[in-house]
Amino acid sequence: DGGITQSPKYLFRKEGQNVTLSCEQNLNHDAMYWYRQDPGQGLRLIYYSQIVNDFQKGDIAEGYSVSREKKESFPLTVTSAQKNPTAFYLCASTPSLAGLQETQYFGPGTRLLVL
Amino acid sequence: DAKTTQPPSMDCAEGRAANLPCNHSTISGNEYVYWYRQIHSQGPQYIIHGLKNNETNEMASLIITEDRKSSTLILPHATLRDTAVYYCIVRVGAGYSGYSTLTFGKGTMLLVSP
Repeated sequence: DGGITQSPKYLFRKEGQNVTLSCEQNLNHDAMYWYRQDPGQGLRLIYYSQIVNDFQKGDIAEGYSVSREKKESFPLTVTSAQKNPTAFYLCASTPSLAGLQETQYFGPGTRLLVL
Repeated sequence: DAKTTQPPSMDCAEGRAANLPCNHSTISGNEYVYWYRQIHSQGPQYIIHGLKNNETNEMASLIITEDRKSSTLILPHATLRDTAVYYCIVRVGAGYSGYSTLTFGKGTMLLVSP
């Protein structure tokens, strides 16, 4: 079955530690996205990528980094510079970024908790 | 960027139609209206989208007013599994990079009860 997988489902981070969230898609989509969701809030865009080796900052990129070395993979690193990392992180993809009619497909999410 | 306004919560009895309103008075002529829903602790799920005509699929119907300033998502026979947060989104226009993204607000929490 085609889709987006995220791992792990739950992740615990110690103070000052970097952690990496995995996102893989087998939909052959060009564009991928990372969102953060806080309790009772909507989704906020962290980073997005149109194509391999290219990515752009979203609305709340500070304290995060990404890479796009392969089309199917878009890992997100939450660095120690992110002072409030506890949140639900969602990865998504679309065939491309250019079309106004394209729907986003979401992964199941990773919940990050700071110890 | 066009923004949307939705009621924070709504209730619906199981088996009845759920009508979820959305205001998007600043929508541009080429921007589509999208609806997604999110069941607790899961990723959002696409429901339907439209530009100016009413749309229907196996999940729902989308009614867009003639002036495109508002729309209504209709779940014709709501079930308990339809309990979720429903997001009305207007596709943000392409920025300097030529890319466009979705902007999610807080949505409407729909509670379907027996």
